[in-house]
Amino acid sequence: GDSVTQMEGPVTLSEEAFLTINCTYTATGYPSLFWYVQYPGEGLQLLLKATKADDKGSNKGFEATYRKETTSFHLEKGSVQVSDSAVYFCALREGGATNKLIFGTGTLLAVQP
Amino acid sequence: ETGVTQSPTHLIKTRGQQVTLRCSSQSGHNTVSWYQQALGQGPQFIFQYYREEENGRGNFPPRFSGLQFPNYSSELNVNALELDDSALYLCASSLDYGYTFGSGTRLTVV
Repeated sequence: GDSVTQMEGPVTLSEEAFLTINCTYTATGYPSLFWYVQYPGEGLQLLLKATKADDKGSNKGFEATYRKETTSFHLEKGSVQVSDSAVYFCALREGGATNKLIFGTGTLLAVQP
Repeated sequence: ETGVTQSPTHLIKTRGQQVTLRCSSQSGHNTVSWYQQALGQGPQFIFQYYREEENGRGNFPPRFSGLQFPNYSSELNVNALELDDSALYLCASSLDYGYTFGSGTRLTVV
């Protein structure tokens, strides 16, 4: 079945450092891809999405490009802030009747001042 | 426009008991999905309801059941609770594939 694999954390960075969180997927067809963020004690918030190959999703300085050839959707940000500290989940939307989301295991990002 | 509201926020139950979790969908959203997020893991799909009918189910036993009401709010029921049911339960409502998640219910089974 479809699956998502993302790099394990925690990722610890200093403020203003460059961030990359790797995400690869296995799927039949061409699913839509998402990054969600979860702050402590909260639910999931959609960060960005891409619906087809070569699309770039972006929001709040974060970017990710849908790479069909490498089945990847890596999350990047040029300069992280302490407020970016959270758990980040990569996900794909499976086709069919439910269009359910399949998530990776999450990557904890800790940004130090 | 209100978001997705879940209740209660926290709950402690004893093994073998039954629990009901509630979710109010975002206005206009006719589809609701439930996910289980164990500690340190990504959310796992439990099931989905579309216009009061279940139209998809993940790999969860029948003691996990649900309902969707005419106003599109929803309930998740879990019978015969087990220790491994301890998790954050997330509700997501959607319309045309855009998902809005609630803050979740933290269930602890002791």
